[in-house]
Amino acid sequence: ENVLTQSPAFMSASLGEKVTMSCRASSSVNYMSWYQQKSDASPKLWIYYTSNLAPGVPTRFSGSGSGNSYSLTISSMEGEDAATYYCQQFTSSPWTFGGGTKLEIK
Amino acid sequence: EVKLEESGGGLVQPGGSMKLSCVASGFTFNKYGMNWVRQSPEKGLEWVAEIRLKSNNYAIHSAESVKGRFTISRDDSKSSVYLQMNNLRAEDTGIYYCTPTATGGFGYWGRGTLVTVSA
Repeated sequence: ENVLTQSPAFMSASLGEKVTMSCRASSSVNYMSWYQQKSDASPKLWIYYTSNLAPGVPTRFSGSGSGNSYSLTISSMEGEDAATYYCQQFTSSPWTFGGGTKLEIK
Repeated sequence: EVKLEESGGGLVQPGGSMKLSCVASGFTFNKYGMNWVRQSPEKGLEWVAEIRLKSNNYAIHSAESVKGRFTISRDDSKSSVYLQMNNLRAEDTGIYYCTPTATGGFGYWGRGTLVTVSA
């Protein structure tokens, strides 16, 4: 199966700071999806097809990457962005998720 | 508004069985593949199984960890998807979500149903 490794596992950022998190796949994928999950809530699709924002996602978020390496970037950290972010691949079954990056406010 | 309501979770002993149900509304159910995804603190998010459309002969694929033990099914007339879980193990403990296969990802999630496998 295609193993997705997210880094860092945990990070903290100050309000207004630029944030970048990474997702590396053990085998090349065609595109990557990202989910946001807050405590005691279900995951939400955040970014699909690598760089497309889901409806309602603020434009300070962006996604990029290709092949084995993908990233999610927040241009300017806001309080509501504190959450855990997961990447997921749909290129090859089984669909797999990364272990998550937990983002907190510094 | 899309709604997904999972039910059927609870406490079960190792080796036991349980059937989860999910009722969907707010979208044309028979036009979407349906999935079960589970989440636990130990293993994070884990895709469990997918059942495709009638036009795909309701093709099923599932994670290796559940093959031979879990069976996904659907009833399009009831906008429902099910997960029959047999020979349950402690590592099957977690919150189980149903979610449709949408463009580029799992766009809608229910609140999930908690399954606890313990003696």
